[in-house]
Amino acid sequence: AQSVTQLDSQVPVFEEAPVELRCNYSSSVSVYLFWYVQYPNQGLQLLLKYLSGSTLVESINGFEAEFNKSQTSFHLRKPSVHISDTAEYFCAVSETGAGNMLTFGGGTRLMVKP
Amino acid sequence: GAGVSQSPSNKVTEKGKDVELRCDPISGHTALYWYRQSLGQGLEFLIYFQGNSAPDKSGLPSDRFSAERTGGSVSTLTIQRTQQEDSAVYLCASSFLGQGADTQYFGPGTRLTVL
Repeated sequence: AQSVTQLDSQVPVFEEAPVELRCNYSSSVSVYLFWYVQYPNQGLQLLLKYLSGSTLVESINGFEAEFNKSQTSFHLRKPSVHISDTAEYFCAVSETGAGNMLTFGGGTRLMVKP
Repeated sequence: GAGVSQSPSNKVTEKGKDVELRCDPISGHTALYWYRQSLGQGLEFLIYFQGNSAPDKSGLPSDRFSAERTGGSVSTLTIQRTQQEDSAVYLCASSFLGQGADTQYFGPGTRLTVL
């Protein structure tokens, strides 16, 4: 069984400041890693995912995450946040096999202040 | 194209009543997933379908919960004899092949309130 820990339930940050949302996982098998975002009053959307290859993955809106196998982490970063990034961010894992469900962390609420 | 749709968007029911929640996945997606999002428990997996079969029902919290999928498309989640602890947002997702690497596309959810 796998588990995901998001250490920060809320992260307040000023606009244009950098941010890091932390995610650690545990699993007895290889996993795929995902970050999903939930904007206010909207559904979950995929932000980015790590499957294999380069450990640094990027999204189209400036977020990036780095897979660190030795530290079992997949932290999400953005060098300069915007008000529109205010949302809840969920880290998730799935096992590298067919048909597996996502196991989610508890979520981190990013609050960007002007 | 159309995304995952769910109905109703909101459901208020009395304790002890049965409810049915519906999910329409993205056309052509073979895999369908149900999750529950609640304040106390976060996002929890409930059940997964590959076609019309449910190889993984491990997340269903009790025998009051059941789900089916017909025609490899629409799915219904049924909760019998609802309890207040069933209050949550029920999310449906679908993916193309149902493999671990697939992106799951989520619907907007059904907010269930049990009075």
